[in-house]
Order: sequence, then C-alpha cells, then structure tokens
Amino acid sequence: GAGVSQSPRYKVAKRGQDVALRCDPISGHVSLFWYQQALGQGPEFLTYFQNEAQLDKSGLPSDRFFAERPEGSVSTLKIQRTQQEDSAVYLCASSLAGTGGWSPLHFGNGTRLTVT
Amino acid sequence: DQQVKQNSPSLSVQEGRISILNCDYTNSMFDYFLWYKKYPAEGPTFLISISSIKDKNEDGRFTVFLNKSAKHLSLHIVPSQPGDSAVYFCAASDNNDMRFGAGTRLTVKP
Repeated sequence: GAGVSQSPRYKVAKRGQDVALRCDPISGHVSLFWYQQALGQGPEFLTYFQNEAQLDKSGLPSDRFFAERPEGSVSTLKIQRTQQEDSAVYLCASSLAGTGGWSPLHFGNGTRLTVT
Repeated sequence: DQQVKQNSPSLSVQEGRISILNCDYTNSMFDYFLWYKKYPAEGPTFLISISSIKDKNEDGRFTVFLNKSAKHLSLHIVPSQPGDSAVYFCAASDNNDMRFGAGTRLTVKP
C-alpha cells in the first residue's frame, strides 16, 4: 500500500536487550516523526527529521534512544539496554511539508514493544 | 508539561445525536489544530484541521470550532453513527512541533 509502514508490529524484548524499530514513510514525504504512546495516553513526541536531517530530538527520553534516517527515507529508532518503562507503542508518522509549511501527519500502525 | 488537554476520557452518545469532543491548549504559538481518529491496533488517522486564523471548519458531518481567546477547540459530529466509535485525539502544531492530547473514547450506541 501507499501508507506508512512500520515493522515489526510486535516486539518482545528482555530487559537489557537492544531493539531496532523500522519505519517506511510515504514516498516523497519530507518530514518524519517518531512518537511514543503509553497505554491510555496520547502520542508523545520523540524526534523529527526533515529529509535526512534530525532537526529535533528533544523528546527522546534518554541517551539509550537513537534515531536515524540516513538517506532521507526509511528511518530506524533504536533503543539500547531496554527497560520496562520503555514498553509502549512506537508510532512513526510522515508528512509532505518541510520547514515553513504544514500538512497533516500520516501515521503507521505502530510497533508495540513489550519489555519483560 | 501537557500543552494539549482532553479532560474527558470517554463519551457515550446515542446514534443520530450530536457528539461534542472538547480540547484545551496552553501554548498561544500553536497555529494549526487537528483532530485524529484512532481504531484499535491502528495508527491515528487525520480527520479534520483548522488554522488559527479561522474559528470554524466544516467537512461533512464533522465541524471543528476554535475559540482562541479561551484556548479551546471542539469537534462536533452530527449525526453520530456507530462507525464513529473510536478514540479521538486533539493535536496542535507550532511549525513542525505537534502535540497530542490524551484522547477521548467515543462510543456511539445504536
């Protein structure tokens, strides 16, 4: 399909393991966002890319979280030494607009991470 | 620091009646406001938006109202249908920084 694709849909990790979550945005979308959604809460901003540049990473909760988008398309969110509090749904979204413009975010279905 | 708040976690409405979902925000720099709809196991889907220079935007059964002085927006769905049952998130954007409320679960009863 032409939507935002995230993989895996579900990930179970043991505490201390590293995980990598993948996002394939809509082709041609300039902006890419990662959000973390805890149970019963709204999406919380993690980080934002415009093309390959990471313009805002102020929402990343610790230095265990790292995101990249090396070619301005696919993005990976990596969490090192996972902790139980990292358990959440991780949502990726893309939009057509770049700086100075605005367009709605298109979300993927998310990756549900459970840390045991 | 919750800049966008949805104070009602749930709302139940009879089919055919109006659903009114409310949202408050604190940051006066927000220039776009949006509503997203979310079904279980899916990502949020964009529903309707409004620019800060307007006070109303209508799209079919959905209307969003913005009261800038009160920093308040609302989503009206009329008539409500059972398929509208979902979680609705209010969001506000300042350039590329988009913040979400905690969501309101709408149940439309047949």
